[in-house]
Formats: sequence, C-alpha cells, structure tokens
Amino acid sequence: AQRVTQPEKLLSVFKGAPVELKCNYSYSGSPELFWYVQYSRQRLQLLLRHISRESIKGFTADLNKGETSFHLKKPFAQEEDSAMYYCALLTGANNLFFGTGTRLTVIP
Amino acid sequence: DAGVIQSPRHEVTEMGQEVTLRCKPISGHNSLFWYRQTMMRGLELLIYFNNNVPIDDSGMPEDRFSAKMPNASFSTLKIQPSEPRDSAVYFCASSSTKGSDPPERAFFGQGTRLTVV
Repeated sequence: AQRVTQPEKLLSVFKGAPVELKCNYSYSGSPELFWYVQYSRQRLQLLLRHISRESIKGFTADLNKGETSFHLKKPFAQEEDSAMYYCALLTGANNLFFGTGTRLTVIP
Repeated sequence: DAGVIQSPRHEVTEMGQEVTLRCKPISGHNSLFWYRQTMMRGLELLIYFNNNVPIDDSGMPEDRFSAKMPNASFSTLKIQPSEPRDSAVYFCASSSTKGSDPPERAFFGQGTRLTVV
C-alpha cells in the first residue's frame, strides 16, 4: 500500500542555516512525488514536483528511489519560509496521498 | 478567478448534529477531491470525483460520511451524525485531468474548520 512518511512534525532552524525536510515513501508503482506548502492563513499550494527537477524559492528536492526518499532542501533558510510543508505521492489511479506534514519555523 | 471556494470557513456543532460542507471548484476543472487534515494523521484523501462521478471513496472513514457532486460546479460533504473525533479541517481541491493537466496541479480551497463538541 502507498504511504508517505514525514518523520518530523516540527523543525526549527536559524535564518541563513541549511534546512532539510525529510520525506520517505512506500509505493509499488513508479512514484510521482510533490511538495506542497501552506503559509499562515493561506491555501495549500504546490511548491515543486520531482519530474520537473526545478528549484522554487530556493528549494530543491531529489527523488532517491534506492532510499525511497524525496527530501526537501534549501541551503539558506529565510524567515518567509516558515510554513507547513507536505510531501505528497501521486498514484497511478491519480490519487494524491499526503504525509502528516512538517511545520518549519525559521528563527530570525 | 476566485479559486476553489469552500463554505463555511468555520463550523461549530454539537455531537449528533448533521454537518454539511460545501465546495465550488474552479470553473472548467473536472476533478474534485475532499481531504481531511488532522494533527495526528495529516492530510487524508476522503473521496475523489471525476466528471461528477465518485471514483474512489475508500478514504471515507465511516458510513456517517457521504459526499455528492450533483453538477460540475458544486459538491457537498455531509457528516450525519457528527462526533467529536470528526473535528478537523476539511479541504476541497479541484484540478483538470484533461490533456496535460494531471491532478498534481490541484488547487485547494481555504478549508472548513469543523469543531464538534
């Protein structure tokens, strides 16, 4: 069965420090993975997709099939990065399954 | 475009009462999702409609939960009777699965915060 695991509910880093939000998945098919972000009092929105291999707002995420991971990284955290981050898995049936989320707090 | 619109934004109700959450998807989108967000379980997919037809309702927790999509511009999620453990934020999302827009481009509503006391 498909599963998305985000082991950290809370993560605090200082401004300018590197940040890594962990995501591991379990899925028997070919995975498509995403990161969604929810800023305070805003809607949940797509941050990036692994198939695009893009960098959004300085964030990158690499799919590691060997480790079944899709960790989100940013070399220098900014205060405006404070938000809830959700890792999500798209199945072949076009269903999105989410992890439990990680609340990132960037300390000034 | 106003995006996905959910109502009400907040709902407080007594245990045993019926609760109806409403969602208006983005015009032109043909897929609609209902999610529930709790601290313990994160975001869970409850049910997924495509072209107004329920495709996968395996995430609906109990028979007390039901969802309908009578037309392309409106969906409801109903809980009857409600229980305190149903307290959560319920999100509706829509997307277009035509052509090159698979569901990863889902757009979310602001959510409805439900509190059952």
